[in-house]
Amino acid sequence: AQSVTQLGSHVSVSEGALVLLRCNYSSSVPPYLFWYVQYPNQGLQLLLKYTTGATLVKGINGFEAEFKKSETSFHLTKPSAHMSDAAEYFCAVTEGNRDDKIIFGKGTRLHILP
Amino acid sequence: NAGVMQNPRHLVRRRGQEARLRCSPMKGHSHVYWYRQLPEEGLKFMVYLQKENIIDESGMPKERFSAEFPKEGPSILRIQQVVRGDSAAYFCASSPSRDSNTEAFFGQGTRLTVV
Repeated sequence: AQSVTQLGSHVSVSEGALVLLRCNYSSSVPPYLFWYVQYPNQGLQLLLKYTTGATLVKGINGFEAEFKKSETSFHLTKPSAHMSDAAEYFCAVTEGNRDDKIIFGKGTRLHILP
Repeated sequence: NAGVMQNPRHLVRRRGQEARLRCSPMKGHSHVYWYRQLPEEGLKFMVYLQKENIIDESGMPKERFSAEFPKEGPSILRIQQVVRGDSAAYFCASSPSRDSNTEAFFGQGTRLTVV
């Protein structure tokens, strides 16, 4: 069965600094990978996804993620943090099986320091 | 295009009562997922439904919990005889197909508090 591990339940970065949120997955078949963002008292919004093709995926709000099969990783980055990026971020995986559900990591809460 | 609609947004129930959570998927979406979110635990998959069918209920507790997605109307997550441990945020998501490279769209959740 697939699983997702997000390293660091809380990450703090200064405004303008690089954002790096780590995600490692486990899957028995080529995965489909997603990053979602959740603002307080809101549902989840898709940031970006990887299915096939180019391993560097660009998403909304300046975020991007790179699928590295050899490292089973899908880390999320943004070159310059903004105060509005403060939220909780979830990495998720499916196995591409047409009956499969989306499995989420435990989330990483991103804090932006002024 | 209205997004995924969940109601109520907040629900308070006394121990032993029933909780009914509703989810109306996006227009054109025939697949619904339910997740439960507890602080510091992320989203836990509960059940995946298609119209009139349960596709995967491997995350549903064996007792007191049930879900349906009828041919007409919203999907319902029903919790009977609620206990304090059921207090959580419950999120519904919908997708247009079973193709898992299509992302799911989430509602704003129902926050259940059991007192």
